[in-house]
Amino acid sequence: GAGVSQSPSNKVTEKGKDVELRCDPISGHTALYWYRQSLGQGLEFLIYFQGNSAPDKSGLPSDRFSAERTGGSVSTLTIQRTQQEDSAVYLCASTSPGLPETQYFGPGTRLLVL
Amino acid sequence: GEDVEQSLFLSVREGDSSVINCTYTDSSSTYLYWYKQEPGAGLQLLTYIFSNMDMKQDQRLTVLLNKKDKHLSLRIADTQTGDSAIYFCAESPHNTDKLIFGTGTRLQVFP
Repeated sequence: GAGVSQSPSNKVTEKGKDVELRCDPISGHTALYWYRQSLGQGLEFLIYFQGNSAPDKSGLPSDRFSAERTGGSVSTLTIQRTQQEDSAVYLCASTSPGLPETQYFGPGTRLLVL
Repeated sequence: GEDVEQSLFLSVREGDSSVINCTYTDSSSTYLYWYKQEPGAGLQLLTYIFSNMDMKQDQRLTVLLNKKDKHLSLRIADTQTGDSAIYFCAESPHNTDKLIFGTGTRLQVFP
């Protein structure tokens, strides 16, 4: 079956604009994660969904960041009033049920804020 | 706190063995993982080890776990140019649903 897909693959925006990033998880995966990968950095956890609810939003860097998930499937990550430091690769992963916890990653969205 | 550390770079000659090291902090982690990220791609699970094991072998990959020192390593035998990538270790602290990733080690294989 299809893997995790993300769109757009690349996004260039101007400082101050809002952007919306989309993640389509693998069908049947109930858990969905968003990470941010900045140049030369590891993966920074942003938010996690179990179904449509987000038990852990602890990684969102500021209130400009929000995410939602509908129908237990597609998720969108929204960044309002983008700043240059928001430039990064945003990765989405979905998780198969059971252990070990195996996260399947999408290819990411490369965001560049000018 | 949660912190997973790795060295940033490793350069090896084709055919040699590569050893990528990782230290983690949460002794409650049930599983520890190695992921591989090729250029322009997302992360791909390579292998994992259960915390009550000290070694796991999977073809060219050998994972060693030292729980006392909270040290994890990934050995790649007969390293090939196709192994050039960034390798991330990750822990899954007990009672959380998230993975804590290291900074990644960029492996460069030269002929």
